[in-house]
Amino acid sequence: DSGVTQTPKHLITATGQRVTLRCSPRSGDLSVYWYQQSLDQGLQFLIQYYNGEERAKGNILERFSAQQFPDLHSELNLSSLELGDSALYFCASSVTAGIFQETQYFGPGTRLLVL
Amino acid sequence: AQKITQTQPGMFVQEKEAVTLDCTYDTSDPSYGLFWYKQPSSGEMIFLIYQGSYDQQNATEGRYSLNFQKARKSANLVISASQLGDSAMYFCAMREGRQSGTYKYIFGTGTRLKVLA
Repeated sequence: DSGVTQTPKHLITATGQRVTLRCSPRSGDLSVYWYQQSLDQGLQFLIQYYNGEERAKGNILERFSAQQFPDLHSELNLSSLELGDSALYFCASSVTAGIFQETQYFGPGTRLLVL
Repeated sequence: AQKITQTQPGMFVQEKEAVTLDCTYDTSDPSYGLFWYKQPSSGEMIFLIYQGSYDQQNATEGRYSLNFQKARKSANLVISASQLGDSAMYFCAMREGRQSGTYKYIFGTGTRLKVLA
C-alpha cells in the first residue's frame, strides 16, 4: 500500500459524459501527478500540481482539467468523453516538486471505461 | 523520435538468475532523472530505482541496480537473483525539463518479464 488513494476504482460511463477522478496523496506529500495508461498510448504523463499550483504539463487534452485543493487532494476532470479515453488513470504523489531525486508513489488507479 | 526506448517487449528468466532489462533514452537536457517502475498484473505502479544524470555511481536498491552509461544514453535495470514475484511489466522513465523549467515525465513501452520456476 503506497498511501495514495484514488476513487473510484472503476468507472463506466457513456460518450459525451463528464467524470471526476479523485486522488488523495500520501500524508505530507505536496505534489500530485496524473497519468493515463492505455493500450495504444502506453503510460502518458498528464499534469503535475505542487502545493495547489500547476507545476508541469504533459500530454493532457483540452477536454481534461485538474486541480489541487488546499487539503492537497486532487481531482482530474474528464469531459466530452470519447471511446479512446478508456484507460487506467493513475495518480502519484511525492514530497516536493520533483526537482531532485524524487520517488513518486502511485495510487491503485481508476479504470475508466467509456461505452 | 522515441525519448525512451525499451527494445525488449518480453523476456524470460530462470528463477535465481540475474536479468538485464534494456533502456535507452534521448534528451538534450543536461539535468535529467531516470526511473524504473514495476507494474504487476494487479495494475499498481511500484517505484524501484532512480538515477540522476549527475550521479557518479550507479544506483542500487536491494536486488535492483541501474547500469547507467551516460555516453551511450542507456539506463539498464539489473535484477539479481530473480524471484517468481518479479514477474511483471517493467517501465523505464525519464524526467527532463529542468533547463526549461517545465518538467515532463516520459515512459517507455515496457518490458514484460516472466520468471520461470
